[in-house]
Amino acid sequence: DQQVKQNSPSLSVQEGRISILNCDYTNSMFDYFLWYKKYPAEGPTFLISISSIKDKNEDGRFTVFLNKSAKHLSLHIVPSQPGDSAVYFCAAVNAGGTSYGKLTFGQGTILTVHP
Amino acid sequence: EAGVAQSPRYKIIEKRQSVAFWCNPISGHATLYWYQQILGQGPKLLIQFQNNGVVDDSQLPKDRFSAERLKGVDSTLKIQPAKLEDSAVYLCASSSTSPSGGPMGTQYFGPGTRLTVL
Repeated sequence: DQQVKQNSPSLSVQEGRISILNCDYTNSMFDYFLWYKKYPAEGPTFLISISSIKDKNEDGRFTVFLNKSAKHLSLHIVPSQPGDSAVYFCAAVNAGGTSYGKLTFGQGTILTVHP
Repeated sequence: EAGVAQSPRYKIIEKRQSVAFWCNPISGHATLYWYQQILGQGPKLLIQFQNNGVVDDSQLPKDRFSAERLKGVDSTLKIQPAKLEDSAVYLCASSSTSPSGGPMGTQYFGPGTRLTVL
């Protein structure tokens, strides 16, 4: 029962270009979405989030788009930098539910940015 | 501000042995989480504490896994006896929000403990 799916295991882009990471979810009760970045031998670190009442949230080079009707969100990184190379996890939560704060993660996408 | 601390960083054991992991959350964070991350998958929540009470342990294999959070600060996760499929990274996270409401808070993760069961 994979409620959050990241169908691309890996993505390779050139430095300076746009990176687009995708995420799909099936549970319509999810109303808050987050992206985490993970370097090897470190724990995931919070990157950006979006509430279901919005369709876009921007923070510097990172923008998250939410399409509720399609149950799809994406993370755009512009411009991509070699330091962005990491595993990116999409996560979703039912913020108003009884399991407040329980994150459901996707499988992750390995992003490699080539100089 | 010190981050979430975990120990040990690596552990190798034989199947049927016992193992324990320790987590010290960020000071003042009331909520503590233990996740299991199997290679190639995303983290999966095992148990969530609010202070020293359990909020959610629905995905904790209670026949072999146990966790406690004494005095609402440090926490330990124990596996007894371990199976081959328990090989994974065990992540501890903490956040400052409470389950009763308020804005969605950020979970801060520790570096994890990589467990290998032979």
